[in-house]
Amino acid sequence: GAVVSQHPSRVICKSGTSVKIECRSLDFQATTMFWYRQFPKQSLMLMATSNEGSKATYEQGVEKDKFLINHASLTLSTLTVTSAHPEDSSFYICSAWQGEWGVGQETQYFGPGTRLLVL
Amino acid sequence: AQRVTQPEKLLSVFKGAPVELKCNYSYSGSPELFWYVQYSRQRLQLLLRHISRESIKGFTADLNKGETSFHLKKPFAQEEDSAMYYCALSPPRGFQKLVFGTGTRLLVSP
Repeated sequence: GAVVSQHPSRVICKSGTSVKIECRSLDFQATTMFWYRQFPKQSLMLMATSNEGSKATYEQGVEKDKFLINHASLTLSTLTVTSAHPEDSSFYICSAWQGEWGVGQETQYFGPGTRLLVL
Repeated sequence: AQRVTQPEKLLSVFKGAPVELKCNYSYSGSPELFWYVQYSRQRLQLLLRHISRESIKGFTADLNKGETSFHLKKPFAQEEDSAMYYCALSPPRGFQKLVFGTGTRLLVSP
């Protein structure tokens, strides 16, 4: 099956620094990738939709200047948390969309997640 | 507003017992409904989707539009079914912008 990887799996950084998280589709091309955030014991919340070659679409309440998304190729999307603060500490999960549009077999494949801790 | 509600945080059953994980949704229209599963230390993966009308690992889910529910059922639970289960919806024929429920942890004891 389709595999999505994330790097790093865990990162600890100081407050005020920026952190980049990579999401890669390993064996398929993904024109669309999604970024989610999950707080402890809570559900996944969609942050943004990343489209290859165009600007990301952010969900309401998500600061686009803080969470920079770049989808430079069909297999890579990056999320950069800029000027990170302790409240940004969370579990960030990406997914990649695969399928033929409109056929009804489209599927999202999820990465293993990245745990960010901002001190 | 789009919302998915899973009322049970934890469901504990014995092996061989029937299981029903509840999911109710709120959506203006006809969404696509999904069940995702996350086994211990593994990533989230699709279990089943309502448009496929399939049974995966013995699990089935029926969409009840009148009750806006999409409960997940299995007649005889197995220990390997122990996992976190998330119900999710997306707009019809959309890019699968998923809205997740808060999840139900299923624990199947021997």
